[in-house]
Amino acid sequence: EAQVTQNPRYLITVTGKKLTVTCSQNMNHEYMSWYRQDPGLGLRQIYYSMNVEVTDKGDVPEGYKVSRKEKRNFPLILESPSPNQTSLYFCASSSLGGYNSPLHFGNGTRLTVT
Amino acid sequence: AQKVTQAQTEISVVEKEDVTLDCVYETRDTTYYLFWYKQPPSGELVFLIRRNSFDEQNEISGRYSWNFQKSTSSFNFTITASQVVDSAVYFCALSLTSSASKIIFGSGTRLSIRP
Repeated sequence: EAQVTQNPRYLITVTGKKLTVTCSQNMNHEYMSWYRQDPGLGLRQIYYSMNVEVTDKGDVPEGYKVSRKEKRNFPLILESPSPNQTSLYFCASSSLGGYNSPLHFGNGTRLTVT
Repeated sequence: AQKVTQAQTEISVVEKEDVTLDCVYETRDTTYYLFWYKQPPSGELVFLIRRNSFDEQNEISGRYSWNFQKSTSSFNFTITASQVVDSAVYFCALSLTSSASKIIFGSGTRLSIRP
């Protein structure tokens, strides 16, 4: 089954404790991206990757890191989480660079930073 | 500047009513794509439709229809004879060929269908 898998689904952590949210897709998509969803703000792009070893900042990259060492994986790293990073996070992938093909989303990770 | 506006934050209707979700976009690009996504209460995001800027034909899929009008920069979504299962948050999104990586989402409209 074609899918984007994110883990974990729920995560509660404390300020400053490094964490990683994993994302993997099995559709051989070139494009992958991370979004955060906050009430009233819709989905905002954090980072994206057009292909292996190619990553770039989205609209809200501060406090986040990503890497794309393999085509299928695109982890999101919070080196020192803060409470304002409490949010619902989605990983997504698509073919053809993303601009004209629909995004396939993971099921989301609800992160709480206390 | 590129922007997507979904002015309706929340809509509540009774089952079987028709409902239209508005989406207005801003871009100076001549080539772009518009999308609608659905987020049911379970939380996942599901693709509904894609439309490119050169195709202004309206589209109908069962009870769903989309009205794309470049003259008013709108891409509205109508649900006919709404059902409780249509209750969800709906997002409109814009992607630009000038910036292949950038997909701009609206803030979403929460639709509640009352039985």
